[in-house]
Amino acid sequence: DAGVTQSPTHLIKTRGQQVTLRCSPKSGHDTVSWYQQALGQGPQFIFQYYEEEERQRGNFPDRFSGHQFPNYSSELNVNALLLGDSALYLCASSLGQGPIGYTFGSGTRLTVV
Amino acid sequence: AQTVTQSQPEMSVQEAETVTLSCTYDTSESDYYLFWYKQPPSRQMILVIRQEAYKQQNATENRFSVNFQKAAKSFSLKISDSQLGDAAMYFCAEWGGKLIFGQGTELSVKP
Repeated sequence: DAGVTQSPTHLIKTRGQQVTLRCSPKSGHDTVSWYQQALGQGPQFIFQYYEEEERQRGNFPDRFSGHQFPNYSSELNVNALLLGDSALYLCASSLGQGPIGYTFGSGTRLTVV
Repeated sequence: AQTVTQSQPEMSVQEAETVTLSCTYDTSESDYYLFWYKQPPSRQMILVIRQEAYKQQNATENRFSVNFQKAAKSFSLKISDSQLGDAAMYFCAEWGGKLIFGQGTELSVKP
């Protein structure tokens, strides 16, 4: 049973560019949440998608946007990249919007140069 | 606002000994969950233990147990019989609709 799959594992982008990160949830899960983890910090909640809609959003600018597809997979898009966007981006999936069964992927390491 | 504080950036324990990691939180929610996650170098967040706030009994999972003091808003993790594989970053987190994480404690285990 596949867990949460994120791609790519590593990515280097130039300041000002746009990036798309992808997440496939664990089988049977229908909700995807995204977190940003800066080096040496705890993860911070970006947003949550359920039924193809953004249900909750953390304190992140509009440059961060997302999408959920009918198969429950999700994308995180970041426009106009800043050096400060360099971080590990974690995806977590669950069945429903609650915390039970919350499962994390191994993340995408984004470096902005 | 929900906040989670881990005041120990680093901790060290001898193999087979016991170590306690501290965590305090602040929430206005009446119904919430508390978690400890482990993050090894592989980067994946692994659930160690979960506590429902309405349960008075402290959660236990094999060598891992918590001391949940609801009135004091304290949620510490005790690791007994520490093993080399326990070395990792440990994060305390609170769920009130989303996960709010602390800053983490890096645990090293000495052979």
